[in-house]
Amino acid sequence: DAGVIQSPRHEVTEMGQEVTLRCKPISGHNSLFWYRQTMMRGLELLIYFNNNVPIDDSGMPEDRFSAKMPNASFSTLKIQPSEPRDSAVYFCASSLPGTGGWEQYFGPGTRLTVT
Amino acid sequence: SQQGEEDPQALSIQEGENATMNCSYKTSINNLQWYRQNSGRGLVHLILIRSNEREKHSGRLRVTLDTSKKSSSLLITASRAADTASYFCATEGGGYQKVTFGTGTKLQVIP
Repeated sequence: DAGVIQSPRHEVTEMGQEVTLRCKPISGHNSLFWYRQTMMRGLELLIYFNNNVPIDDSGMPEDRFSAKMPNASFSTLKIQPSEPRDSAVYFCASSLPGTGGWEQYFGPGTRLTVT
Repeated sequence: SQQGEEDPQALSIQEGENATMNCSYKTSINNLQWYRQNSGRGLVHLILIRSNEREKHSGRLRVTLDTSKKSSSLLITASRAADTASYFCATEGGGYQKVTFGTGTKLQVIP
């Protein structure tokens, strides 16, 4: 099992550019989560999908952020246009029902730097 | 928004000692989970305790849950240098599968 795969691992871009982060969940997991982690705000849930359908996007900071899950094996998080305050580590996680709850499996993250 | 608050924010101990981290939360939960994050890596699930359980063990980990006080603790016994990491509690409840992470405790185990 390859685990959750994220690409790219590092992204450096200039303010105003479009950024697309990609995620491949673990095969068989039916839920997918996007998080953002910064020193100031910690780990924030941006959006999550169940069976490819967005369930809760209340954490998406503003309209510049969008996420899609066209099929069970792929999701994207897009920022357009990017701003320096978007600099953070973005994690994707997938989950499956466990005994008593949903255990999440995290990818290695994408470190985004917007200059 | 973060539901859980870990205490202490940072903890430094000698190898072989026990490490205790606490988590407090605000609203009712279905379960509480603990995760570990090594520097520069994604989070790794450690243990889940359901709201109707009071204590759970997994290897050197012991988790307690007191729903009346809305608090949980994670005990790592006989710590090792490899346990050096940040530890997060996460509560599930208030929304379908929605898991809310706390602020984390940074543990350093000195060899």
